Amino acid sequence: QVQLVQSGAEVKKPGASVKVSCKTSGYTFTSYDINWVRQATGQGLEWMGWMNPDSGNTGYAQKFQGRVTMTRITSISTAFMELSGLTSEDTAVYYCARGRWVPYWGQGTLVTVSS
Amino acid sequence: DIQMTQSPSSLSASVGDRVTITCRASQGISNYLAWYQQKPGKVPKLLIYAASTLQSGVPSRFSGSGSGTDFTLTISSLQPEDVATYYCQKYDSAPRTFGQGTKVEIK
Repeated sequence: QVQLVQSGAEVKKPGASVKVSCKTSGYTFTSYDINWVRQATGQGLEWMGWMNPDSGNTGYAQKFQGRVTMTRITSISTAFMELSGLTSEDTAVYYCARGRWVPYWGQGTLVTVSS
Repeated sequence: DIQMTQSPSSLSASVGDRVTITCRASQGISNYLAWYQQKPGKVPKLLIYAASTLQSGVPSRFSGSGSGTDFTLTISSLQPEDVATYYCQKYDSAPRTFGQGTKVEIK
């Protein structure tokens, strides 16, 4: 079965970077886009960007341009999202999500930014 | 960028009621629209894609319609387990923006 398993919760200080991983299984990793979506507590879903795991091409929401980097290692079917220059506003659950429309989501990774 | 606007932001209805949520795109997106349901503390669940195609396993009381700029999610007979927040999302091109969400409660 299709699975997306994300790395564990992180606590970071303001100004730091965080890198979240998303290990996939149950399908051909290079056949579907990986999106990253975040959700602050009590807030809506916010699309951050996408990556084509085959080509490595990416597209980022303007809000995150210059701060986010999405990469992958195809040999281990794993995608990564790195966000730099963290502030308290980046405290949220971060999800990886497969495909243009998304039947498969990771379990979410809580990133807490606090001094 | 294309904006996605949902209405209402919240609603309260009785069990068995027909519930309609709308999603409007600021520019045409053909039928590249998905609807998700998210219950508190849970991962979003895909309900509908391509504006009107029901995802496998989703109850038939959920339906979607629309094309271009105006879309609708309908729950034909609201059930207690449908209490959740519902989001639309465009996926014609990046950014694959979500609507702000509609919270559905039982009256």
